[in-house]
Amino acid sequence: KAGVTQTPRYLIKTRGQQVTLSCSPISGHRSVSWYQQTPGQGLQFLFEYFSETQRNKGNFPGRFSGRQFSNSRSEMNVSTLELGDSALYLCASSLGSSTNEKLFFGSGTQLSVL
Amino acid sequence: DQQVKQNSPSLSVQEGRISILNCDYTNSMFDYFLWYKKYPAEGPTFLISISSIKDKNEDGRFTVFLNKSAKHLSLHIVPSQPGDSAVYFCAARNSGNTGKLIFGQGTTLQVKP
Repeated sequence: KAGVTQTPRYLIKTRGQQVTLSCSPISGHRSVSWYQQTPGQGLQFLFEYFSETQRNKGNFPGRFSGRQFSNSRSEMNVSTLELGDSALYLCASSLGSSTNEKLFFGSGTQLSVL
Repeated sequence: DQQVKQNSPSLSVQEGRISILNCDYTNSMFDYFLWYKKYPAEGPTFLISISSIKDKNEDGRFTVFLNKSAKHLSLHIVPSQPGDSAVYFCAARNSGNTGKLIFGQGTTLQVKP
């Protein structure tokens, strides 16, 4: 079974631009969550999508948004990029039907904002 | 407000000995706890988990202990191997929040040959 796939692996943008990151979950998984990892803040939850609906949201500004498609693939968008948005963005998937499930993470997209 | 804390940023142990990584939490609504291992610029890899109805879970060399009254969990690795060297994160989940994990800051484990 293929794991969680994130594209692109690396991305370099400049301040003010916008960016879209993509995540393909494990086949059969309906929940996709997004996390941001920075050296100072650690791993922080951005949002979760389940069956094309946002089910949970973290404490990030509205510049961070996401969506999920009918095949469970998900995209995350960051608009008006700031230097502080430089981070490793991780996507995780799970079946989404139980709270006793583990999340499977992708390798992440390393975003650098110049 | 850091709800999950790993107070030791780093730990160094000798190959073959026991590694003990600790994690404290403040939210009594957490009912599921997980440990992940992570290498730089890669995604976390699941190691082991424990439900709040248990106080111990074992999987091979890895054992997680949960002390609900102290709001403390620990990961024991026995015996430690050089390949275990990585950053270890504990994470907690609130009942009903399937995809939302609250992570600690991580502990860097170095296992010396």
